[in-house]
Amino acid sequence: GESVGLHLPTLSVQEGDNSIINCAYSNSASDYFIWYKQESGKGPQFIIDIRSNMDKRQGQRVTVLLNKTVKHLSLQIAATQPGDSAVYFCAENTPNYGGSQGNLIFGKGTKLSVKP
Amino acid sequence: NAGVTQTPKFRILKIGQSMTLQCTQDMNHNYMYWYRQDPGMGLKLIYYSVGAGITDKGEVPNGYNVSRSTTEDFPLRLELAAPSQTSVYFCASKAGGPYGYTFGSGTRLTVV
Repeated sequence: GESVGLHLPTLSVQEGDNSIINCAYSNSASDYFIWYKQESGKGPQFIIDIRSNMDKRQGQRVTVLLNKTVKHLSLQIAATQPGDSAVYFCAENTPNYGGSQGNLIFGKGTKLSVKP
Repeated sequence: NAGVTQTPKFRILKIGQSMTLQCTQDMNHNYMYWYRQDPGMGLKLIYYSVGAGITDKGEVPNGYNVSRSTTEDFPLRLELAAPSQTSVYFCASKAGGPYGYTFGSGTRLTVV
């Protein structure tokens, strides 16, 4: 069946370095992708999104890259800070999964630890 | 504007007990969702609603029920709690289309 998975369950980086978190998805019909940040004891927070007709989108210190050929999504965080420590989830919106609007399917998450 | 509000934040239930997890949103969103998150895992969809009076099953609906009598509220009901329902439950809402999901802060439920 369809699945969204992450290559690295944990990632440890030095403060100031760039972080790259990867995600694989298997449903080629997915039309929208989101990265969420989840801090301990909190709900997922939106970071950045990308539609399937794009291959790159930039935000403040974050960039999402989408490679539809290999069904791969990545989140790049520039100049990683201690406040970036959290679990990061990718999610794909899959049309016709639970209704015509589609619904989100989440990956397992990657825990990012930033060392000072 | 409070966004999505979930209550309670924590709850311990005994096997066989029942409870209702409350979720309310003040953004006039049509779409509402219930997810569960098991330790070290991503969120799995339990039930969702595309508007008042309309609900539908997600990926893991067994053991749960929902209702949507108003646009604002989307309660999740556990009738006979089981240890397998120990999880963190998140409610979310969105206006429409695939964009703009807003999540609540979660309810941590333990069934013993």
